[in-house]
Amino acid sequence: DAGVTQSPTHLIKTRGQQVTLRCSPKSGHDTVSWYQQALGQGPQFIFQYYEEEERQRGNFPDRFSGHQFPNYSSELNVNALLLGDSALYLCASSLGDEQYFGPGTRLTVT
Amino acid sequence: KQEVTQIPAALSVPEGENLVLNCSFTDSAIYNLQWFRQDPGKGLTSLLLIQSSQREQTSGRLNASLDKSSGRSTLYIAASQPGDSATYLCAAPKTSYDKVIFGPGTSLSVIP
Repeated sequence: DAGVTQSPTHLIKTRGQQVTLRCSPKSGHDTVSWYQQALGQGPQFIFQYYEEEERQRGNFPDRFSGHQFPNYSSELNVNALLLGDSALYLCASSLGDEQYFGPGTRLTVT
Repeated sequence: KQEVTQIPAALSVPEGENLVLNCSFTDSAIYNLQWFRQDPGKGLTSLLLIQSSQREQTSGRLNASLDKSSGRSTLYIAASQPGDSATYLCAAPKTSYDKVIFGPGTSLSVIP
């Protein structure tokens, strides 16, 4: 079992651009959550997907959107990038109580 | 609104010491309490999960306790090793599918 995988590992974008991050959940997991983690802070919940629907959402603007596919993999899209969007983006999958995290995607906005 | 805090923010101890990390949450109606470890620039690794009906969980040198009434959890690390150096985070969701609120973490450094 490969666990939770994320791509790409690192990404550099310019302000105003759009970005798509990808996550493949642990085998058998049907729920995917996305988090943003700024340097030196704990992860902040962005949203959660279950059965291809957004089930919960944190305090993030509409520039942040997502999608879950029938195979449970997920994408996080961020439009009109700001410098403040620079962070580590973490994906977590779960089937029940325990969450399993991927290694993250480091996004740098210049 | 659930708020999670962790004390201390940073901790440096010599190898071999026993240590305690603290996690506090404002809403005691939690579903479970989970402790994670994060190495620099990496994802989170689950260490221990305590269901709301449980008082503690143990894994090797790690022991986590939960006191819902006081809104506190502690992570006890016995005989610390340099490999334990990392940031430790706690999280306390209110339901099985609730958004997970993390504390800011405790940065632990174990000196050889």
